[in-house]
Amino acid sequence: EDKVVQSPLSLVVHEGDTVTLNCSYEVTNFRSLLWYKQEKKAPTFLFMLTSSGIEKKSGRLSSILDKKELFSILNITATQTGDSAVYLCAVNEKSGSARQLTFGSGTQLTVLP
Amino acid sequence: DGGITQSPKYLFRKEGQNVTLSCEQNLNHDAMYWYRQDPGQGLRLIYYSQIVNDFQKGDIAEGYSVSREKKESFPLTVTSAQKNPTAFYLCASSIKMPSGSLYEQYFGPGTRLTVT
Repeated sequence: EDKVVQSPLSLVVHEGDTVTLNCSYEVTNFRSLLWYKQEKKAPTFLFMLTSSGIEKKSGRLSSILDKKELFSILNITATQTGDSAVYLCAVNEKSGSARQLTFGSGTQLTVLP
Repeated sequence: DGGITQSPKYLFRKEGQNVTLSCEQNLNHDAMYWYRQDPGQGLRLIYYSQIVNDFQKGDIAEGYSVSREKKESFPLTVTSAQKNPTAFYLCASSIKMPSGSLYEQYFGPGTRLTVT
């Protein structure tokens, strides 16, 4: 069973559009949720969310977490072609070990000029 | 420059051969990780290590081996026992707080392994 589910799997928009990417999760001892952007190689860190209802913002990107409904959204406003990438969501579970990052399969975003 | 380096960028091997992927970090991070990424899929954890001389299996450890003799280095060996070794391999590292909480993972550029 998938613990972290992202939707949609892929999305094609035009420059200037606003997009919302979804990540739902089902874990026993939630600690945090992370968003990454992967353009071709290494995923780069975007946000870490731990508290429900508090928006994290960086430029045109923003993200919010709903711990009651077990999901997060990543918003990108005024999209640009450089936003084209795979966006990965990962959930960190509380545990005695350091391993707990479970990744979703990602959303492939394509922004057309 | 601080960061994580992986080498080589591309690697080609014949079936039946073992191959070792390099991962080095100079971020002074305690924890290091190896992931595998297949097309259209997320990252799956192969092995991870919290401290030197200690490592644990992830979700898909079969056919892989690792070592952690130095804090900076966490090489991954893909053995001939791995049934489908062709994939994109990512190494990551993170700070591990005394409380056990995990800070965000930083990724290396990846190694694309092709086995024919």
